[in-house]
Amino acid sequence: DAKTTQPPSMDCAEGRAANLPCNHSTISGNEYVYWYRQIHSQGPQYIIHGLKNNETNEMASLIITEDRKSSTLILPHATLRDTAVYYCIVGFQKLVFGTGTRLLVSP
Amino acid sequence: AAGVIQSPRHLIKEKRETATLKCYPIPRHDTVYWYQQGPGQDPQFLISFYEKMQSDKGSIPDRFSAQQFSDYHSELNMSSLELGDSALYFCASSPPDLYTYNEQFFGPGTRLTVL
Repeated sequence: DAKTTQPPSMDCAEGRAANLPCNHSTISGNEYVYWYRQIHSQGPQYIIHGLKNNETNEMASLIITEDRKSSTLILPHATLRDTAVYYCIVGFQKLVFGTGTRLLVSP
Repeated sequence: AAGVIQSPRHLIKEKRETATLKCYPIPRHDTVYWYQQGPGQDPQFLISFYEKMQSDKGSIPDRFSAQQFSDYHSELNMSSLELGDSALYFCASSPPDLYTYNEQFFGPGTRLTVL
């Protein structure tokens, strides 16, 4: 499974967009990019996934570069409840968690 | 909507004892995954089952075993418990469709404390 690199922490003001970057330069052709988040020891929660194209759902948008070596998760209007550890994971089926980005949304 | 059920939610055991953790997937989900999350650590994949067969294996100690039953529930059996086994154990399930990614739905976890 490809390895991912994320910044350890980020801050965001409530109501602003949160843009969380992820590098996955060793991704292979059939591997998906998926994002999960974990709020304080709860079970991780699926956010979004993509293969090549950009994706959007009710929670977030996922922008994948054309060479697929990096991606950005966008939370368009962050709320306090979005404070969590965000994991960018590359692979197929099983989830290999890295260290994630701890996002703190402040008032 | 039904979610993944894990039992027990909390478990306290002594060293060298055994423990059994249970996972009941969302109805009609045929794939189950187990993850271990130690204190201050990130979740680590242990093992997965698809249609009652082991489908993938991660960093699961030999002291641990797991299986998926005919009703798709799964059990993680842990023997000769060590202090380092103290962790949150998450189960996740995903619906049928092997050939495309399916989101995993996580349960609330079982917190195991080994004294």
